[in-house]
Amino acid sequence: GQQVMQIPQYQHVQEGEDFTTYCNSSTTLSNIQWYKQRPGGHPVFLIQLVKSGEVKKQKRLTFQFGEAKKNSSLHITATQTTDVGTYFCARVGNTGKLIFGQGTTLQVKP
Amino acid sequence: EAGVAQSPRYKIIEKRQSVAFWCNPISGHATLYWYQQILGQGPKLLIQFQNNGVVDDSQLPKDRFSAERLKGVDSTLKIQPAKLEDSAVYLCASSLMTSGSQETQYFGPGTRLLVL
Repeated sequence: GQQVMQIPQYQHVQEGEDFTTYCNSSTTLSNIQWYKQRPGGHPVFLIQLVKSGEVKKQKRLTFQFGEAKKNSSLHITATQTTDVGTYFCARVGNTGKLIFGQGTTLQVKP
Repeated sequence: EAGVAQSPRYKIIEKRQSVAFWCNPISGHATLYWYQQILGQGPKLLIQFQNNGVVDDSQLPKDRFSAERLKGVDSTLKIQPAKLEDSAVYLCASSLMTSGSQETQYFGPGTRLLVL
């Protein structure tokens, strides 16, 4: 199946700085999901985007789905140490299985 | 509501040994998934069940990996014999609806396997 590419692989920021991770696909996506995985933990569902150009917010997190439904982004405003972890985008395959990107690992320096 | 349960949480074995993992999904969830997550990578699906039937096992190395969900509830994943490259976290996830839907998947804590 078609993979989703995620960049950057790592990001180190000072607490209070913003952070963005990008997810790209060569083909049109029916939807995109975002997960957060804390160090030593398991993926936890954050959100699902379905509509072209969709923007959803969860407190300091802003999720966008591109107009062409080939890319998505997650932006965190004013990062906190609790934001540390790896953020994955994933597309849902035709059986419902998740096809994950490589993830972006966020480190926040206090 | 109880989450997805997995055991053991950690396992260390030598290559060529066998190992088994157990998963109990959220009550009432029809679909169960086993993912393999190698360090530094995203999870990759090994096998997907709907009730007690296999929906997708295209990425399962069938010469050494096997899985079952006999009564459509809990599931076991076995590796026999293990190789060094099987060192990974094995994640079980479940979702409420039938396969093909976009239902949220809930992940268990995972089993961390180290093959020496």
